[in-house]
Amino acid sequence: AQKVTQAQTEISVVEKEDVTLDCVYETRDTTYYLFWYKQPPSGELVFLIRRNSFDEQNEISGRYSWNFQKSTSSFNFTITASQVVDSAVYFCALSEWTYSGGGADGLTFGKGTHLIIQP
Amino acid sequence: NAGVTQTPKFQVLKTGQSMTLQCAQDMNHEYMSWYRQDPGMGLRLIHYSVGAGITDQGEVPNGYNVSRSTTEDFPLRLLSAAPSQTSVYFCASSYSSPRGGYTFGSGTRLTVV
Repeated sequence: AQKVTQAQTEISVVEKEDVTLDCVYETRDTTYYLFWYKQPPSGELVFLIRRNSFDEQNEISGRYSWNFQKSTSSFNFTITASQVVDSAVYFCALSEWTYSGGGADGLTFGKGTHLIIQP
Repeated sequence: NAGVTQTPKFQVLKTGQSMTLQCAQDMNHEYMSWYRQDPGMGLRLIHYSVGAGITDQGEVPNGYNVSRSTTEDFPLRLLSAAPSQTSVYFCASSYSSPRGGYTFGSGTRLTVV
């Protein structure tokens, strides 16, 4: 069965520092999708990125970047020059494709990393 | 606005009461699913549906029922609420292909006393 591990329960850094959130996953599938979501204190889930298992290119979006490495089953998320507004809980999630009939059975989430950016 | 709409946003129930959490989407997504979020546990899948008339159980289905009579709606029913069902509930929808990812509703905070 699939599993997502976010070993960092809470991270606290000072504003402007870079911070990396770790995500390690387990899956039996060769076709799968990985996601990152942000949950600010207001509680909604904000989609950040989706990556499929065939695309190992790193991605950068402004201060955010993602490093996908199939060899280590990791999909890490880095925030450069962190800001107070980045304070939130961040979730990594996995959707299998082949064994779950095309992602039908939804997402498997990690337990989340609570990121605190201190001014 | 297009998206996933959940109602109510907050609810307090007494043990043993029943209620239905509503979820509606207007994006013509085939797939819909319900999750619960508990402190330190992340989100866990309760039930999901791949289309009207088709539902299946997720990781934590006990105590919940679902039905999907239309593409747009996917209500979650608590038949006899228990304090262990105190949680935040999220509904999500997606296409039957990976092109769009999953869209989440804003959540329902349920407290069972």
